Amino acid sequence: GENVEQHPSTLSVQEGDSAVIKCTYSDSASNYFPWYKQELGKGPQLIIDIRSNVGEKKDQRIAVTLNKTAKHFSLHITETQPEDSAVYFCAARGKNAGNMLTFGGGTRLMVKP
Amino acid sequence: DTAVSQTPKYLVTQMGNDKSIKCEQNLGHDTMYWYKQDSKKFLKIMFSYNNKELIINETVPNRFSPKSPDKAHLNLHINSLELGDSAVYFCASSPTRGGTIQYFGAGTRLSVL
Repeated sequence: GENVEQHPSTLSVQEGDSAVIKCTYSDSASNYFPWYKQELGKGPQLIIDIRSNVGEKKDQRIAVTLNKTAKHFSLHITETQPEDSAVYFCAARGKNAGNMLTFGGGTRLMVKP
Repeated sequence: DTAVSQTPKYLVTQMGNDKSIKCEQNLGHDTMYWYKQDSKKFLKIMFSYNNKELIINETVPNRFSPKSPDKAHLNLHINSLELGDSAVYFCASSPTRGGTIQYFGAGTRLSVL
């Protein structure tokens, strides 16, 4: 089955700096890669996603890149703000029964004012 | 209006008891899911349910059983609760099977004493 690894597990940045979170996946047939943000006491919320036919996608301060050959994808947050502090999860959808998502272990991002 | 709602938010119970967690979505989605998030924040799929088709993650003990009275509801019933079942359980839904754009509930924190 699919295996998704995420690094780093914790990341502390100064407000205004950039943050990068990286994930690798094992199933070369995976074709969909979403990123979720989980704030304290809440459920994960989709912030951006990318499909395997695209190498990069951007939405304001957030961007995601995908390298299919190397089987890794990354989340980039520019001009970080304190409200970006949360746990971020990457995920991959492989060729499994039900096309279910496999999540990475999460990254706790702390943005210091 | 909350898109995916779970009840209760907190559940404290003794080992050996049977308990249920309810989930309702008002998005008109076809597919619903249950996830378990442990104390280290790992998020693992437990079940996917679409149009009466249940797909089970093989690692889930058979003490856990999802029950869907209709398309908008997917409840989770747990028999003979164990200490290791303590976690936050999230319900989610998506428009179609395939895991794209999943909407999560706020979670149910289960504590087994």
